[in-house]
Amino acid sequence: EIVMTQSPATLSVSPGERATLSCRASQSVTSNIAWYQQKPGQAPRLFIYSVSTRATGVPARFTGSGSGTEFTLTISSLQSEDFGIYYCQQYNNWPPQAFGQGTRLEIK
Amino acid sequence: QVELQQSGPGLVKPSQTLSLTCVISGDSVSTKSVAWNWIRQSPSRGLEWLGRTYYRSKWYNDYAVSVKSRISINPDTSNNQFSLQLTSVTPEDTAIYYCTRGTCTGGSCYSDYWGQGTLVTVSS
Repeated sequence: EIVMTQSPATLSVSPGERATLSCRASQSVTSNIAWYQQKPGQAPRLFIYSVSTRATGVPARFTGSGSGTEFTLTISSLQSEDFGIYYCQQYNNWPPQAFGQGTRLEIK
Repeated sequence: QVELQQSGPGLVKPSQTLSLTCVISGDSVSTKSVAWNWIRQSPSRGLEWLGRTYYRSKWYNDYAVSVKSRISINPDTSNNQFSLQLTSVTPEDTAIYYCTRGTCTGGSCYSDYWGQGTLVTVSS
């Protein structure tokens, strides 16, 4: 089974600064990568799919990139509401959906 | 707007069966371009996909290897919902369970809508 690995585990960034979150797949997932944001007590929320397509209502400061096995979520100018845990997910190989362990984004 | 409303008990005894239901509004359980999933989340396992059901001229199911012998996911077209049954539960099955809609292109599906989550505790 495919394994998704995210780094770093925790990221502390000041408001207005750039945040870069990484995700690596143990085998190629072509472009079938999604990113989710989860806040305490809430279900995960889809942010990005197909590597770089923003879901409805997601601000333009969120950018997804990458291909094959290496992917990145960049937040260009961090806002206070962006804190939370971000998960990458592949939906190309078996199992049909596999998640990374998450990156906790803290506001410094 | 799609909404998924989960229901079911929050406490299940060891060796018994966990049963949850997910009622769909704003879409149909029989829509051919989507799949209906159950995903759980726990501190030890993270987000773990459990299985899905989907309609492509007939009904299909896929299940995670880790639970394949114990799981059943069934659509209910009359009530536009789908359900999860997990038998012979142990404390390791304690988790928050989510139902999701997967939007699919060419068989690859990401979860774009999620239920509110149900914390299920396995304890006597």
